[in-house]
Amino acid sequence: QITLKESGPTLVKPTQTLTLTCTFSGFSLSTSGVGVGWIRQPPGKALEWLALIYWSDDKHYSPSLRSRLTITMDTSKNQVVLTMTNMDPVDTATYYCAHKRRFNDFYLDYWGQGTLVTVSS
Amino acid sequence: ESVLTQSPGTLSLSPGERATLSCRASQSVSSSYLAWYQQRPGQAPRLLIYGASSRATGIPDRFSGSGSGTDFTLTISRLEPEDFAVYYCQQYGSSPVYTFGQGTKLEIK
Repeated sequence: QITLKESGPTLVKPTQTLTLTCTFSGFSLSTSGVGVGWIRQPPGKALEWLALIYWSDDKHYSPSLRSRLTITMDTSKNQVVLTMTNMDPVDTATYYCAHKRRFNDFYLDYWGQGTLVTVSS
Repeated sequence: ESVLTQSPGTLSLSPGERATLSCRASQSVSSSYLAWYQQRPGQAPRLLIYGASSRATGIPDRFSGSGSGTDFTLTISRLEPEDFAVYYCQQYGSSPVYTFGQGTKLEIK
């Protein structure tokens, strides 16, 4: 059974750096083809993909946010960490992590429950 | 960068009716790269359809996907009360890797 859970601060101040952790079970990021992605959703708005990391440590970022994002993984802890610098109120959103089963699967089949991050002074 | 446009923005129907949701891509998309998700209020998105027409595990057969090229459709044959939610289409690409449509809200009439 695959599960993912996001954790991190619920409130950050403008200009601060956000660090979110996705802790997962039921799969290993050491398995060939597996990936974990981050997606966010501002209140009442659509989903926006942020970043993806593969078992091979291959990393992909949203072109519009690339300069602010870093994604890393710790296979021993079954965790993926996303950092986003220079936070702004427009970054207020629910942040989700999600599982990608294989390299040649082009969808995200399991999602965490999400964590709401508010950016405010 | 290919953009996904979903229509209508809001669809008002009654339980038992048929729902047809549209997703149009600004550039041709391989059917393998097109997926649909359902998001109920306060919940995470749930994968419904992948590869444009394959149902994900546990998804009832009243949900079906079709289409090719730039035009894709999600059909719900007979609406159940739990089907009233927001639906997103998603495409896979090189950069960005994932692009989502703006969503269609399916509401009870």
